[in-house]
Amino acid sequence: DAGVIQSPRHEVTEMGQEVTLRCKPISGHDYLFWYRQTMMRGLELLIYFNNNVPIDDSGMPEDRFSAKMPNASFSTLKIQPSEPRDSAVYFCASSFGSGYTFGSGTRLTVV
Amino acid sequence: RKEVEQDPGPFNVPEGATVAFNCTYSNSASQSFFWYRQDCRKEPKLLMSVYSSGNEDGRFTAQLNRASQYISLLIRDSKLSDSATYLCVVNIGYNQGGKLIFGQGTELSVKP
Repeated sequence: DAGVIQSPRHEVTEMGQEVTLRCKPISGHDYLFWYRQTMMRGLELLIYFNNNVPIDDSGMPEDRFSAKMPNASFSTLKIQPSEPRDSAVYFCASSFGSGYTFGSGTRLTVV
Repeated sequence: RKEVEQDPGPFNVPEGATVAFNCTYSNSASQSFFWYRQDCRKEPKLLMSVYSSGNEDGRFTAQLNRASQYISLLIRDSKLSDSATYLCVVNIGYNQGGKLIFGQGTELSVKP
């Protein structure tokens, strides 16, 4: 298994642009999580899905952020419009039972 | 108050030292507990689960005190390769899946 695959690995964009982060979970995993990590705030849970259905999006910072999971093998996290304070590493993780596996993350820089 | 709080770091220790990390959590309904390790600029990886009776994995020992809502990790005979950030993690919600809440992490640096 290739593990959780995230793309792109790095993204540099200008303030105001739309950014889309992508995640392919491990096949058979029924939970998918989006986290954001910054030096100041550590790892924060943004949203998670169970069987493609959003369960808890209380961590999504504001309306500029949206996440979708159209099928069991793909999820996106979109930021529109992006702002410099969105700069962070965004991790996707998937799980089945108690085993959680993280992707390598997307390092986002908004200038 | 943060849901999961850890000792502030960094911890700088010599090789062979024993080091202990502490963590407290605020939600008494928390279901399961873990320690994750994160190397610089990498993703977090599961180090070990933490069970009520305490558990050991080689040089690593984890303890849980539900009454005090306290979790600990002990590393014996530390190695240079143990240098990393250690994250205390609590699963709030269902035992199967649910969401993980991470502490800020404690940085460990093991020196020769």
